[in-house]
Amino acid sequence: DGGITQSPKYLFRKEGQNVTLSCEQNLNHDAMYWYRQDPGQGLRLIYYSQIVNDFQKGDIAEGYSVSREKKESFPLTVTSAQKNPTAFYLCASSQQGDSNQPQHFGDGTRLSIL
Amino acid sequence: DAKTTQPNSMESNEEEPVHLPCNHSTISGTDYIHWYRQLPSQGPEYVIHGLTSNVNNRMASLAIAEDRKSSTLILHRATLRDAAVYYCIPLEEGAQKLVFGQGTRLTINP
Repeated sequence: DGGITQSPKYLFRKEGQNVTLSCEQNLNHDAMYWYRQDPGQGLRLIYYSQIVNDFQKGDIAEGYSVSREKKESFPLTVTSAQKNPTAFYLCASSQQGDSNQPQHFGDGTRLSIL
Repeated sequence: DAKTTQPNSMESNEEEPVHLPCNHSTISGTDYIHWYRQLPSQGPEYVIHGLTSNVNNRMASLAIAEDRKSSTLILHRATLRDAAVYYCIPLEEGAQKLVFGQGTRLTINP
């Protein structure tokens, strides 16, 4: 089945560590996105990419980094500079990055700080 | 971003229709109206979207007011699996991000 796979489902990080969240899609979508969701809140955009080797900052990019070396993969690194990383992280993709295309989401990664 | 107003919560019974309203009076003429839903501890799920005409798919129907300042998501026959938070999201032409508000928490009674 086509879809978006995020791994791991749960992730624990020690203070001062960088961690990388995986996102893979086999939908042949051009655009990919990373969102963050805090308890009881809506999603906020961290980074997005419309094409391989290109990505743009979203609303809350500080403390995060991404890469888009392959069309199907868009990993997110949460760096030690992110002071409040505990959250639910969601990856999404769409056929093209425009308003007439739905975004398809993965099941998320829940990150906690030890 | 166009502002939206949705009821905080709604309740319905299994196998009955559900009409979820959304006001988006500041919507622009080229904004698509998207609806997503999110079950607990899961990622959002796309439901439906439209521009001006009413839209139907296997999950739901979307009724868009003639002035486009409001829309209604219609679940024709609710099941327990439809219990979720439903988000109405106007999406600007060329926009990259979905802006999720508080949504409507839908409870389905058996």
